[in-house]
Amino acid sequence: NAGVTQTPKFQVLKTGQSMTLQCAQDMNHEYMSWYRQDPGMGLRLIHYSVGAGITDQGEVPNGYNVSRSTTEDFPLRLLSAAPSQTSVYFCASSRSYRAPYEQYFGPGTRLTVT
Amino acid sequence: RKEVEQDPGPFNVPEGATVAFNCTYSNSASQSFFWYRQDCRKEPKLLMSVYSSGNEDGRFTAQLNRASQYISLLIRDSKLSDSATYLCVVPPGGSQGNLIFGKGTKLSVKP
Repeated sequence: NAGVTQTPKFQVLKTGQSMTLQCAQDMNHEYMSWYRQDPGMGLRLIHYSVGAGITDQGEVPNGYNVSRSTTEDFPLRLLSAAPSQTSVYFCASSRSYRAPYEQYFGPGTRLTVT
Repeated sequence: RKEVEQDPGPFNVPEGATVAFNCTYSNSASQSFFWYRQDCRKEPKLLMSVYSSGNEDGRFTAQLNRASQYISLLIRDSKLSDSATYLCVVPPGGSQGNLIFGKGTKLSVKP
């Protein structure tokens, strides 16, 4: 049982490039989400999904797309990278969207946009 | 009042000390609460859940005060390995919704 996995661990992009951050979980969790974490800002929700085929926007969705074609995978796409997207990105999952619902986090992806 | 507020610290304490953090929340309908621990450059990990008045796990005690809308985390006999950032997490009111994370309180335990 690997839990929540994320790839890559580190990435450097040039402004305007696109890329996909991968996230997978093997716990058959219903709910998955993406956060970004910046110094002094805490964790901010980008997008989330309450099940396969269902996604919705969080607090800071601009510049990002997601899809959820399977229960296991929830990739995050950066459409045209900007320096403001330099951050640490965490994927998380939980058994349910309904309380109580502890979230389990992946190890994170450190992204730098130059 | 912001949805979830925490004192950012840092709290610098000697080994063996007792330290407590508070977290205030704005939504009186929130039912269950969590404390997460985040080590430097690592992902947040669940430390404790608080579903009723409180919860105790070894040196860690979490308490909930619904009337004043705050939860607290007490760490007794602090260890060097307790050094981390502690995140307060509050669900929205009602039975479902996205968790709301506080910005965290940084603890540094010194020899």
